[in-house]
Amino acid sequence: NAGVTQTPKFRILKIGQSMTLQCTQDMNHNYMYWYRQDPGMGLKLIYYSVGAGITDKGEVPNGYNVSRSTTEDFPLRLELAAPSQTSVYFCASSRGQGASYGYTFGSGTRLTVV
Amino acid sequence: TQLLEQSPQFLSIQEGENLTVYCNSSSVFSSLQWYRQEPGEGPVLLVTVVTGGEVKKLKRLTFQFGDARKDSSLHITAAQPGDTGLYLCAGATGTASKLTFGTGTRLQVTL
Repeated sequence: NAGVTQTPKFRILKIGQSMTLQCTQDMNHNYMYWYRQDPGMGLKLIYYSVGAGITDKGEVPNGYNVSRSTTEDFPLRLELAAPSQTSVYFCASSRGQGASYGYTFGSGTRLTVV
Repeated sequence: TQLLEQSPQFLSIQEGENLTVYCNSSSVFSSLQWYRQEPGEGPVLLVTVVTGGEVKKLKRLTFQFGDARKDSSLHITAAQPGDTGLYLCAGATGTASKLTFGTGTRLQVTL
């Protein structure tokens, strides 16, 4: 049981380049999330999805886009990368809405923009 | 924006000592979760507390949710090197179970 799989694990981008961070889960979870983690800053929500075809902005969505064409996949697109997007990105999934459902996280993608 | 403040930010203790980590907010949450994160990995769920005043125990870890559901604490008894990591509290709101994460407490337990 793989859980939540993120690729790539590491990436270096030049300013202005674009890339897609991949996230897939095999638990048939409806809810999926993208967070970024900066040193000493905790995790901040970028985008989330409550099911295939439905996405919504989180706290820090600027410079990012997402899509959710299937239950399993929730890719995060960075357009025109900027140094401020240097961070560790985590994808997570949850079974559904409700106080007792925790998140399952992927192992993260460490992105550096130079 | 809901904020969760954790204290202390850093904690370095010796094996066998006890410690408490605090998580405070001015907002009310429907539930409060605690995660532990190790270097190079994503956070892993430790516990969820739902009811105000609730206390949950997980071996040497004791979690408490404040009566008003605005704060929580994590107490570790007789800490071990395996407890080393980043501890994150996270409060859930009713919409899409979005979690607001705390700033984190980095714990190091040495022999």
